[in-house]
Amino acid sequence: DSGVTQTPKHLITATGQRVTLRCSPRSGDLSVYWYQQSLDQGLQFLIHYYNGEERAKGNILERFSAQQFPDLHSELNLSSLELGDSALYFCASSEGTGKAKNIQYFGAGTRLSVL
Amino acid sequence: DAKTTQPTSMDCAEGRAANLPCNHSTISGNEYVYWYRQIHSQGPQYIIHGLKNNETNEMASLIITEDRKSSTLILPHATLRDTAVYYCIVRPPNTGNQFYFGTGTSLTVIP
Repeated sequence: DSGVTQTPKHLITATGQRVTLRCSPRSGDLSVYWYQQSLDQGLQFLIHYYNGEERAKGNILERFSAQQFPDLHSELNLSSLELGDSALYFCASSEGTGKAKNIQYFGAGTRLSVL
Repeated sequence: DAKTTQPTSMDCAEGRAANLPCNHSTISGNEYVYWYRQIHSQGPQYIIHGLKNNETNEMASLIITEDRKSSTLILPHATLRDTAVYYCIVRPPNTGNQFYFGTGTSLTVIP
């Protein structure tokens, strides 16, 4: 158990809908990262938050957004869903920036199926 | 971040040592080498990391060549549960940004 909790584990929805994925980082970790893993793309970085502030963006679509709340949990919002958004979405956490170790610990993921 | 090259797949007999190579010829002086693995659709799992010295923990050993252009992850006594995709990642230490996962090496441990 990595200590990172993601909910829900599975999500089935229809095209055009909006969903919210939730991540609770390990106790004390200030950084949260979101990754997408689809069959043909591998693990792709989406976005990074540190202590409530956005720090970096990767290949995140404009239809997707995220935030990190004062209690450090994070939510990834996916809207106007398309079939191609079906994927595993992973959240990871780490102690924070400026650390030599920078080890990221991953949650079990949310499997999103868009029908 | 430095680019890494790993073999696409490898087999290893159960109980034997699994040696997974990684080339990172463009690595910079302050970039660390990290190894993660992903067991079928589970979240990636941290294994080990190092800068220039060899490292060992309860899961594996990491051997980094003197010129730091390549490294080898060693699982000393592979079990069936070690069947997974193994990712070698290099990145500098003082950024909080993402890991770039390549295609990794798919290791199959054979009974």
